[in-house]
Amino acid sequence: DTEVTQTPKHLVMGMTNKKSLKCEQHMGHRAMYWYKQKAKKPPELMFVYSYEKLSINESVPSRFSPECPNSSLLNLHLHALQPEDSALYLCASSQEWQYPEQFFGPGTRLTVL
Amino acid sequence: AQSVSQHNHHVILSEAASLELGCNYSYGGTVNLFWYVQYPGQHLQLLLKYFSGDPLVKGIKGFEAEFIKSKFSFNLRKPSVQWSDTAEYFCAVSNYGQNFVFGPGTRLSVLP
Repeated sequence: DTEVTQTPKHLVMGMTNKKSLKCEQHMGHRAMYWYKQKAKKPPELMFVYSYEKLSINESVPSRFSPECPNSSLLNLHLHALQPEDSALYLCASSQEWQYPEQFFGPGTRLTVL
Repeated sequence: AQSVSQHNHHVILSEAASLELGCNYSYGGTVNLFWYVQYPGQHLQLLLKYFSGDPLVKGIKGFEAEFIKSKFSFNLRKPSVQWSDTAEYFCAVSNYGQNFVFGPGTRLSVLP
């Protein structure tokens, strides 16, 4: 199984809502990543988890809160988002942190109203 | 730190034309190279990757890329494009101990 799955595929939320994005992989990878991608731009790294510990937070606002409950799961909790946070949120995993190859999920397309 | 540049912001071609998209990177050591495609409204898909061996890499959908170490380049090619190749194309570079770095992307528009 070389797949990274993400749910939901689409999410529309208001600025006062609380929602969560979920990512799952069963490849035994020990590093997982959240990226944010705006239209026609490359993905931007947000967070890195290595062995279920947060290793990198790329100065992401606190309204985004990552969580890694176990080695296969990665969540991104969203609260009080702004319309400019609307984007495609991609999850990825790799065998280890800074291992050359990352496997990307299909993403969650988020719209903040 | 590594950086990746892609020569063209937007390329417009007619169907059946040949395609070459440029990608250059700045890292001097061993690198691993990737090309991703993103169709309108869809997710990233891996087209091809280079880790070692034959510098001419064949990928999916008839795409290929050539790694030229002396030029720090990994250009993407396709002999004859189709309307369905209209998409955003991202080159990416990585290595052990480095973060994954994407280029800014090239938008390809193929006219029917």
